[in-house]
Amino acid sequence: SQTIHQWPATLVQPVGSPLSLECTVEGTSNPNLYWYRQAAGRGLQLLFYSVGIGQISSEVPQNLSASRPQDRQFILSSKKLLLSDSGFYLCACPERGGLSTGELFFGEGSRLTVL
Amino acid sequence: QKEVEQDPGPLSVPEGAIVSLNCTYSNSAFQYFMWYRQYSRKGPELLMYTYSSGNKEDGRFTAQVDKSSKYISLFIRDSQPSDSATYLCAMSAGGYQKVTFGTGTKLQVIP
Repeated sequence: SQTIHQWPATLVQPVGSPLSLECTVEGTSNPNLYWYRQAAGRGLQLLFYSVGIGQISSEVPQNLSASRPQDRQFILSSKKLLLSDSGFYLCACPERGGLSTGELFFGEGSRLTVL
Repeated sequence: QKEVEQDPGPLSVPEGAIVSLNCTYSNSAFQYFMWYRQYSRKGPELLMYTYSSGNKEDGRFTAQVDKSSKYISLFIRDSQPSDSATYLCAMSAGGYQKVTFGTGTKLQVIP
């Protein structure tokens, strides 16, 4: 079965500081990978998705960026955090057989607070 | 108008009650409908998946889709305290189109 590891689980960062969140996937090969953000009172917002190494598509313009240096590794970064970047960041991949239907498997998330 | 509307709750029910959670949507291209359960400070987990209109049952959970009304529901029978969580509806048009999520309904089942 597939597993998604995300770290760090929780972090508190000052405004203007850099950010790096990491996601690694086990139990599947060449997965589509997604970064979502969940802010209080809002639904899951798709930030980035990747269909393969080095291939990144951005859904929402922001000061965040994503990279996929390895098949099962997906990284979310920022050079300078804003207060509005606070939220719960979730990495996801398709459930087995769910590539075209939208069934997603999520990691445990990284909770970011920007002060 | 949001593509997917979901009442945020919170919804508080006694143990054993039947719970009804609902979402409406505006995009008629949606064909795949999902419900996710999210416990506090955890990632969402897929609970139910339905294709097109109709019902699907899994244990105490029943998902219903009415495409003519653009309305989906999740019913929980004999609700348990362990069902206390936020429930997110989600839908997609398939064909590798992105998934659109509702904002989630927070449910509390009181023993």
